Amino acid sequence: DAGITQSPRHKVTETGTPVTLRCHQTENHRYMYWYRQDPGHGLRLIHYSYGVKDTDKGEVSDGYSVSRSKTEDFLLTLESATSSQTSVYFCALRTESYGYTFGSGTRLTVV
Amino acid sequence: AQSVSQHNHHVILSEAASLELGCNYSYGGTVNLFWYVQYPGQHLQLLLKYFSGDPLVKGIKGFEAEFIKSKFSFNLRKPSVQWSDTAEYFCAVNEGGFQKLVFGTGTRLLVSP
Repeated sequence: DAGITQSPRHKVTETGTPVTLRCHQTENHRYMYWYRQDPGHGLRLIHYSYGVKDTDKGEVSDGYSVSRSKTEDFLLTLESATSSQTSVYFCALRTESYGYTFGSGTRLTVV
Repeated sequence: AQSVSQHNHHVILSEAASLELGCNYSYGGTVNLFWYVQYPGQHLQLLLKYFSGDPLVKGIKGFEAEFIKSKFSFNLRKPSVQWSDTAEYFCAVNEGGFQKLVFGTGTRLLVSP
């Protein structure tokens, strides 16, 4: 769907370690998003980007940073992972028809 | 801040029963409205969306939704569910002119054969 891939698909990491998740698109869309999905909370926006080097915070941005040095890549970094960041992370992009397309997700476990 | 409410957290139906899932949002201006479905272990897929025009929107797999502006609602319906409709359903709203998509907490639908 719309050429969006996330990596890795699964990751287990230890508390306190840095973790970077990657979202890659092949279609040059301007807007990209990182969400986390947790039971009972639906999807909550972490950060989003509206262009190269242009990013903004979402509702649950604490403990996360992002970077977008190229249009096609949007990176999400957990500087020092905590158990509360165990979640499924979805990347999304907004298409020209104002639809939103989601990646396959990254399941992150912090032990 | 804008919010989206899905009051039905879990719904259990038998095959061929009719479905209606509620969705209410808080923003009073122009909105774009979406319903997504997530099958077990998969990512979100778009069922349907409303931007303007006819408030009754038809989507894939026989789903439809009705936008009622006066009630701030965008309820999802299907006349006859199938076992394959077992999934989690998310309502989402995007304020007109803004780029953030806000989700409800989701409704888990279980359809028994």
